[in-house]
Order: sequence, then C-alpha cells, then structure tokens
Amino acid sequence: QVQLVESGGGMVQPGRSLRLSCAASGFTFSSYHMHWVRQAPGKGLEWVAVLWYDGSTKYYADSVKGRFTISRDNSKNTLYLQMNSLRAEDTAVYFCARDGDGYNQFDCWGQGTLVIVSS
Amino acid sequence: DIQMTQSPSSVSASVGDRVTITCRASQGLSTWLAWYQQKPGKAPNLLIYAASTLQSGVPSRFSGSGSGTVFTLTISSLQPEDFATYYCQQANIFPYTFGQGTKLEIK
Repeated sequence: QVQLVESGGGMVQPGRSLRLSCAASGFTFSSYHMHWVRQAPGKGLEWVAVLWYDGSTKYYADSVKGRFTISRDNSKNTLYLQMNSLRAEDTAVYFCARDGDGYNQFDCWGQGTLVIVSS
Repeated sequence: DIQMTQSPSSVSASVGDRVTITCRASQGLSTWLAWYQQKPGKAPNLLIYAASTLQSGVPSRFSGSGSGTVFTLTISSLQPEDFATYYCQQANIFPYTFGQGTKLEIK
C-alpha cells in the first residue's frame, strides 16, 4: 500500500541544522510532486515546500525561504528537507505529503516527525 | 498570499446531526479547494478535493460544494468517528494555504 515514513526529527539548538527524510513506498515515487507541511504544537497546518516529480521546480513558504531546501532522490524513493538556521518558531511536526493526480490535493501523508528548536 | 477563513472555529453537535463548515477565500479559487480531517496525534486525511469530489474510501455522508470564494463541507449524519478537526486548503496558487481549522466536538 502507499506509505510515507518521515525520519530525522529531534531537538536542536537555535541556529543549527537538521535534515528530514521521507521514505516512499507502494507507488511510483518519481511520478509525483511531493510536499512538506508542518504543524506547530496545538496549531493549524502550514504548507512549507513543494518539489516537482522530476526535481525541476520548487516553491517555498516565505517563512522558510532561504533557510530550508527541499530535494529528492528518485533512485532511493526519498524526499528530503534540509533545514538551516533553525528558529524556535520552526518547532513543529513535519509531514511529507504526496500531491494527488491533477487537483493539487495532498492525498497521502506520512505520520510526521517532531522537530523541537530550543536552547 | 490567499487567506482562508473557516467558520465556525468550533462546533458542538450530536451523533446523527447534520453539520456544515464554511471556508472563505480572500480571492477566487475556481474549484481548487480540498478538505481534510485530522484526529489528535494523527496526520490529516483527505476527504474532498476539487471542491466537491469525494476521495476514494471516504464515506458518502461527507460532501463538499462551492466555487470561487465560498465553499462548504457538510456531514449529513454525524458518526462517533467524525469528531475531529477539519481544515480547508486552497490549491490554486503557491503558497498553498490552509484555513485555521474547525474543531467538531461532541455535545
């Protein structure tokens, strides 16, 4: 079945870096755009970034632009999020999500990985 | 950025009730809108996309309507498993944005 599994979360000090991974299985990963979405504790959902199926195009939320980089390795069926210059306000559960066929909806989500930025 | 505003922010209802949640966009979306359900500690789950298309496997008591700037999610007869938080999401222009959420609680 379609599955997304995030990893790489943890506690990190402000200003440091962290890389999240999202391992995909059960579908042709290289055919789908992929997203990162985050949710701060007790808050709503915030879209973070998207990467086209072939790696050609990416967009970011203003809140992470210049600090976060989305990438993928289609040979490993894995999506990444490199997070640099982390801030306290980046504390959240980070979900990867698949872009559904044709209507830009998030039709499959991982279970999420928690990132805590604190000194 | 497109602002998405949901109403109400919370609602109390009973099993069997009909509930409607409204989502308003700050600019026209055509039908580029999706609805998600999220339960505590879990990832969101897609219910509706393209404003009114039911995602495979989602019960038919869920329905969506609207276009442009006003959209609704209706649950025709609440079941115990429907008590959760619901989010709308615009999928028209980057950055994609979500509504603030509507928490559906048991009366």
